[in-house]
Amino acid sequence: NAGVTQTPKFQVLKTGQSMTLQCAQDMNHNSMYWYRQDPGMGLRLIYYSASEGTTDKGEVPNGYNVSRLNKREFSLRLESAAPSQTSVYFCASRFRGRDGTQYFGPGTRLLVL
Amino acid sequence: ILNVEQSPQSLHVQEGDSTNFTCSFPSSNFYALHWYRWETAKSPEALFVMTLNGDEKKKGRISATLNTKEGYSYLYIKGSQPEDSATYLCAWVSNFGNEKLTFGTGTRLTIIP
Repeated sequence: NAGVTQTPKFQVLKTGQSMTLQCAQDMNHNSMYWYRQDPGMGLRLIYYSASEGTTDKGEVPNGYNVSRLNKREFSLRLESAAPSQTSVYFCASRFRGRDGTQYFGPGTRLLVL
Repeated sequence: ILNVEQSPQSLHVQEGDSTNFTCSFPSSNFYALHWYRWETAKSPEALFVMTLNGDEKKKGRISATLNTKEGYSYLYIKGSQPEDSATYLCAWVSNFGNEKLTFGTGTRLTIIP
């Protein structure tokens, strides 16, 4: 049982390049989330998916797109990376339910030059 | 904008001392309050999920209380140890709309040996 996995662990991009961050969970969770973590800002929600086939914007969606490929996988795409997107990105998942524990992946550290 | 605030932002505590910190959240439309422990270079791990006013949860030397009427929760650590050094996050969940967590920016705790 791997929990929540993310790839890659670390990536360097040049401004304007695109990339996709991958996330998968093997806990049969309904909901999945993408956050970014910046110093002094805490965790900010980029996009989330309450169930397979649905996605919704969070606090900071601009510059990102997501795909809920199936129940297990939720990817985050940067179409044209900008230095402001330098951050640590965390994927998370949990069962449906407001008191359900949320489980986080190990994070992807992204540097945009 | 729904604010979840944590205080203090950072805290240094002598090994063996006890400490506590605060999470403030909107008291209206409250459903659940989550606490997470986040060690450097790792991902956040769930400590507690609390839903009832007056609730108290305990895990080893760490405990938390909840006051939903006034909108605050305290996290207590008894007899601090170096391994308690981490950032402690709280997250609020509303009882309407989507089920996403709104995170505070955390309290960064450093235990001085």
